[in-house]
Amino acid sequence: GENVEQHPSTLSVQEGDSAVIKCTYSDSASNYFPWYKQELGKRPQLIIDIRSNVGEKKDQRIAVTLNKTAKHFSLHITETQPEDSAVYFCAASTDYKLIFGSGTRLLVRP
Amino acid sequence: DVKVTQSSRYLVKRTGEKVFLECVQDMDHENMFWYRQDPGLGLRLIYFSYDVKMKEKGDIPEGYSVSREKKERFSLILESASTNQTSMYLCASRGPAGGVNEQFFGPGTRLTVL
Repeated sequence: GENVEQHPSTLSVQEGDSAVIKCTYSDSASNYFPWYKQELGKRPQLIIDIRSNVGEKKDQRIAVTLNKTAKHFSLHITETQPEDSAVYFCAASTDYKLIFGSGTRLLVRP
Repeated sequence: DVKVTQSSRYLVKRTGEKVFLECVQDMDHENMFWYRQDPGLGLRLIYFSYDVKMKEKGDIPEGYSVSREKKERFSLILESASTNQTSMYLCASRGPAGGVNEQFFGPGTRLTVL
């Protein structure tokens, strides 16, 4: 069935450094790729998304890249801050159903 | 702002009990979803519904059923709770396919089955 793999499972960076989280998907028909951030004790919230007709999208310190040929997409966070510490989930979708990755716990050390 | 609410934040039940988890959204969304979240496993889809009285199984439907009698309400039912159903349960809603894709999540219900 459809599958999304996410790496790494944990990531620790120094404040100010960049963080990169990578995901691969199995269904070549996937056309929508969102990223959700879940802070401790809170609900997941969408931070950025990209559609399959776009290769890259940027929103301030956050960017997402998509390689359809290789079926992988990545989240890039630059100039990390302590408030970026959270669990990040990638997902892939062909219609209205999202398949989520297993999550990456990001820790930004002050 | 879209608002998705869940009936309880914390719930403790005993093995064999019938458990109802309720979810309500106020944005007239067609699509609603139930996930369970376990450490290291991400968000796994239990059931979803794309219209009133319509439902489809997700990846882990065993031991669960759902009900959608009204557009704004989607209920998850554990017919006979077991300890391996101890988990965080998240409800979500989304507009029609082709429209805004964002799924909006509820605050979650942490269920403990003793």
